[in-house]
Amino acid sequence: EAQVTQNPRYLITVTGKKLTVTCSQNMNHEYMSWYRQDPGLGLRQIYYSMNVEVTDKGDVPEGYKVSRKEKRNFPLILESPSPNQTSLYFCASSLGRLGSQYFGPGTRLTVL
Amino acid sequence: AQSVTQLDSQVPVFEEAPVELRCNYSSSVSVYLFWYVQYPNQGLQLLLKYLSGSTLVKGINGFEAEFNKSQTSFHLRKPSVHISDTAEYFCAVRSEGGSEKLVFGKGTKLTVNP
Repeated sequence: EAQVTQNPRYLITVTGKKLTVTCSQNMNHEYMSWYRQDPGLGLRQIYYSMNVEVTDKGDVPEGYKVSRKEKRNFPLILESPSPNQTSLYFCASSLGRLGSQYFGPGTRLTVL
Repeated sequence: AQSVTQLDSQVPVFEEAPVELRCNYSSSVSVYLFWYVQYPNQGLQLLLKYLSGSTLVKGINGFEAEFNKSQTSFHLRKPSVHISDTAEYFCAVRSEGGSEKLVFGKGTKLTVNP
């Protein structure tokens, strides 16, 4: 089954404790992206990647890092999480920049 | 840089009534346009997209949208809604050249009442 998986689905952590949210897709898609969703703000793009080793900033990259060492994986790293990064995070992938994006189920992160 | 405005944050309608969810965009270059739907506690799913060609685009679940370049709009319509259409709908835009960013609107919550 074609899908995008994210782990963990829920995470409560404390300020400053490094964490990684994993994202994996099984569709051989080149394009992958991370978004955060906040009430009243819609989805905002954090980072995107057009292929292995090619990443670029979206609209809200501060406080986040990404890497794309393999085509299928695109982890999101928060080196020193802060409460303003409490949000619902979505990973997405598509075959190309105009392809239909497939979204993961989301990761709800709470930073205390 | 491009931007997207969804003019209504909430739209309540009765079952079997028609609905229009409005989306306007701003961009200095040609764009590609998308509508996504998010059902409660789920990820987003593509409803339809405009890349080129016919300005009337048909999508899944009976939805359609019309691209109007002169009014920079991409409104989503359905002639008769069902309770199951209750969801949040997002309009998104990507530039034809240059930036790879996909910019979303803030969303419109459609509530279909019996």
